Amino acid sequence: EDKVVQSPLSLVVHEGDTVTLNCSYEVTNFRSLLWYKQEKKAPTFLFMLTSSGIEKKSGRLSSILDKKELSSILNITATQTGDSAIYLCAVQRIQGAQKLVFGQGTRLTINP
Amino acid sequence: EADIYQTPRYLVIGTGKKITLECSQTMGHDKMYWYQQDPGMELHLIHYSYGVNSTEKGDLSSESTVSRIRTEHFPLTLESARPSHTSQYLCASSESGNYGYTFGSGTRLTVV
Repeated sequence: EDKVVQSPLSLVVHEGDTVTLNCSYEVTNFRSLLWYKQEKKAPTFLFMLTSSGIEKKSGRLSSILDKKELSSILNITATQTGDSAIYLCAVQRIQGAQKLVFGQGTRLTINP
Repeated sequence: EADIYQTPRYLVIGTGKKITLECSQTMGHDKMYWYQQDPGMELHLIHYSYGVNSTEKGDLSSESTVSRIRTEHFPLTLESARPSHTSQYLCASSESGNYGYTFGSGTRLTVV
């Protein structure tokens, strides 16, 4: 059965700290791994990773995929209170419908 | 502005009632999805659609049904709501060849 596991489930840090969120997967016919940020409403797209070892960056956020280890990390540097959210990792299989299998999420809290 | 809309945002309803959760997107995406998310838990796919007149069951069994008569509209119906249906329901869409999803704001359903 396909599985996506995120760790830690919950993380509380101070503003300015750097955090690393982890995602590991066991998925047949892997196509891509995606990261989303979910605040009170809908998840918003952060990154999509398909190639191993290539870092994607957007401001203070970056992510990298390791296909050998079947894992990915999401880094956030110089955290701000606005980074507080649930971060979701999802994996897409090579199938026609582009369905995503989600992990349980990491709840990140940034204290001022 | 192209977007994906879900109504209602919140719904409290009695056991046995029939309900329809609405989802519409203005982006012309051919693929649409319904996910169910319990508090603190991962998103589970319950229905998806490749396009008009195409609907499939997702990975999580659900008593709900869906229809796709128009590209932009993908409503979800529960014929007889039960307390076990209490959850958040998220609608999403994606374009063929583009693997990122766009999510709606969700409907938080409570069945009493």
